[in-house]
Amino acid sequence: GAVVSQHPSRVICKSGTSVKIECRSLDFQATTMFWYRQFPKQSLMLMATSNEGSKATYEQGVEKDKFLINHASLTLSTLTVTSAHPEDSSFYICSALSGRSSYEQYFGPGTRLTVT
Amino acid sequence: AQRVTQPEKLLSVFKGAPVELKCNYSYSGSPELFWYVQYSRQRLQLLLRHISRESIKGFTADLNKGETSFHLKKPFAQEEDSAMYYCALRSSSASKIIFGSGTRLSIRP
Repeated sequence: GAVVSQHPSRVICKSGTSVKIECRSLDFQATTMFWYRQFPKQSLMLMATSNEGSKATYEQGVEKDKFLINHASLTLSTLTVTSAHPEDSSFYICSALSGRSSYEQYFGPGTRLTVT
Repeated sequence: AQRVTQPEKLLSVFKGAPVELKCNYSYSGSPELFWYVQYSRQRLQLLLRHISRESIKGFTADLNKGETSFHLKKPFAQEEDSAMYYCALRSSSASKIIFGSGTRLSIRP
């Protein structure tokens, strides 16, 4: 089946610094990728929809200047958490839409971000 | 507005007992409904979708448009079914998926 990877799997950073998370579709091209945030014991909250070659569409309440999304190629989307604060600590999950498989979304393993 | 509601945070049943995880949705059109599962320390994966009308790992789910429900059922629970289950909705093929809050299914031996 289709595989989506995320890097890094875990990252710890200091307040005020920026962190970049990569999401890659390994064996298929994904024109659309999605970024989710998951708090402990809670559901996935959609942050933004990322389309290759265009600006991301952010969900209401998500700061686009804080969570920068770049989808420069058909296999890579990046999420940069800028000027991170402890409240940004969370589990970030990406998914990629596969057009070849009835538009099924394949999920990455997630990235655990801890801001100290 | 699109919304998915899973009323149970935790469901605990004995092995061999029937399982039903409830899901209700609100959407004005004809959405696609899904069930996703997340086993311990694993990534989220698709369990089944309503348009396939198939049974995966013994689970089935029927879309009831009148009741706007998409409950997940299995007649005989197995220990390996213990996981987090998310009901989800999307409005069209290439659009975003909205998740419910999830139900943790715990199967007791």
